[in-house]
Amino acid sequence: GQNIDQPTEMTATEGAIVQINCTYQTSGFNGLFWYQQHAGEAPTFLSYNVLDGLEEKGRFSSFLSRSKGYSYLLLKELQMKDSASYLCAVLHGSSNTGKLIFGQGTTLQVKP
Amino acid sequence: GAVVSQHPSWVICKSGTSVKIECRSLDFQATTMFWYRQFPKQSLMLMATSNEGSKATYEQGVEKDKFLINHASLTLSTLTVTSAHPEDSSFYICSARDSREVTDTQYFGPGTRLTVL
Repeated sequence: GQNIDQPTEMTATEGAIVQINCTYQTSGFNGLFWYQQHAGEAPTFLSYNVLDGLEEKGRFSSFLSRSKGYSYLLLKELQMKDSASYLCAVLHGSSNTGKLIFGQGTTLQVKP
Repeated sequence: GAVVSQHPSWVICKSGTSVKIECRSLDFQATTMFWYRQFPKQSLMLMATSNEGSKATYEQGVEKDKFLINHASLTLSTLTVTSAHPEDSSFYICSARDSREVTDTQYFGPGTRLTVL
């Protein structure tokens, strides 16, 4: 089966750095995605990792270690608008036919 | 690019009626679309994978006769909730995979909030 774990809630201060962890146990791993979701809205794509290492995209970075079944999303220079849920999702199955398995999401609250 | 729309954005219906939700990829072709359901404060649960020109693949526990999926073209998939009941009230979100992309990134629509009275 598949199991994806993320912390339920996190709180951080505006301007700070926060790291959201995600651990997974799944067969047929074919990549890991991070999405941001504001309340009542659809998820928006943040990052994709398929190889080990760090992917940087502006204030957001994502890291993957396949051997450890571990990923994190790093948010720098936090802004109030970063308050949202962050969803870790594993692509299960082969490319082009795979499906996303989502973790329960981490609700991040950014305080002034 | 990679914009996905859904219609309607919200709908209220009476118990026992059917509701159709449309999902469109606006600026790309999508051979594969996905339908998710999200209950309050929970994550997205995949309901089914919709493939253009063929039958949808449903996840375990999802009734295919209740949630009818049609993917008639490369830019449109529809989900029909038949004989809706209050427990079907949820946030329904579709996503589409851009056929041109090497990665399997899914782009999500804005969601449809269904309330069954």
